Amino acid sequence: GESVGLHLPTLSVQEGDNSIINCAYSNSASDYFIWYKQESGKGPQFIIDIRSNMDKRQGQRVTVLLNKTVKHLSLQIAATQPGDSAVYFCAEIYNQGGKLIFGQGTELSVKP
Amino acid sequence: GAVVSQHPSRVICKSGTSVKIECRSLDFQATTMFWYRQFPKQSLMLMATSNEGSKATYEQGVEKDKFLINHASLTLSTLTVTSAHPEDSSFYICSASGYNEKLFFGSGTQLSVL
Repeated sequence: GESVGLHLPTLSVQEGDNSIINCAYSNSASDYFIWYKQESGKGPQFIIDIRSNMDKRQGQRVTVLLNKTVKHLSLQIAATQPGDSAVYFCAEIYNQGGKLIFGQGTELSVKP
Repeated sequence: GAVVSQHPSRVICKSGTSVKIECRSLDFQATTMFWYRQFPKQSLMLMATSNEGSKATYEQGVEKDKFLINHASLTLSTLTVTSAHPEDSSFYICSASGYNEKLFFGSGTQLSVL
């Protein structure tokens, strides 16, 4: 289904700590998932993606985990920095039409 | 990387006027572009899928006569908010499908209707 109009949950972490941001996706037929970072007043910025035939993918300081059994995604950010403060969205692409549907989002705040 | 340019970045208009927002893929051709709307502290909600050379596909609940979409070329899609009202005030974001299925986003347009 579409993302709902709820206000964003927030996550506050100390600089240098690891952050884990969770997301539940809606469609078991989705086969491609993406994490985006959005800073205030800007468009989403691609962070990392994962296909449904994988359960883990690592990038630079970031790791995405996919659990298809419970339709759950997580984004792990290692050694979180103040520049990581932003809103993070997971997104899924349905098989049909290639539409990218965004999840609820989480606002990450990094304390120096 | 691929670049999507969105213009204007901010627009203020009077109630009842129409506003056009442009979305351009600068270094790749995009047969499909998407338009999203975002209210403060909320997620992006897909409004419509814009297909080059054909009519746009609107999501349920989005008025096609209110939000006119034109995808006249492989690098340009426009969204026109017709007869804008204060409730149309929002952040509008476009995206274009590039290589490897990756979607590239514009920087967004903040529309304020007085």
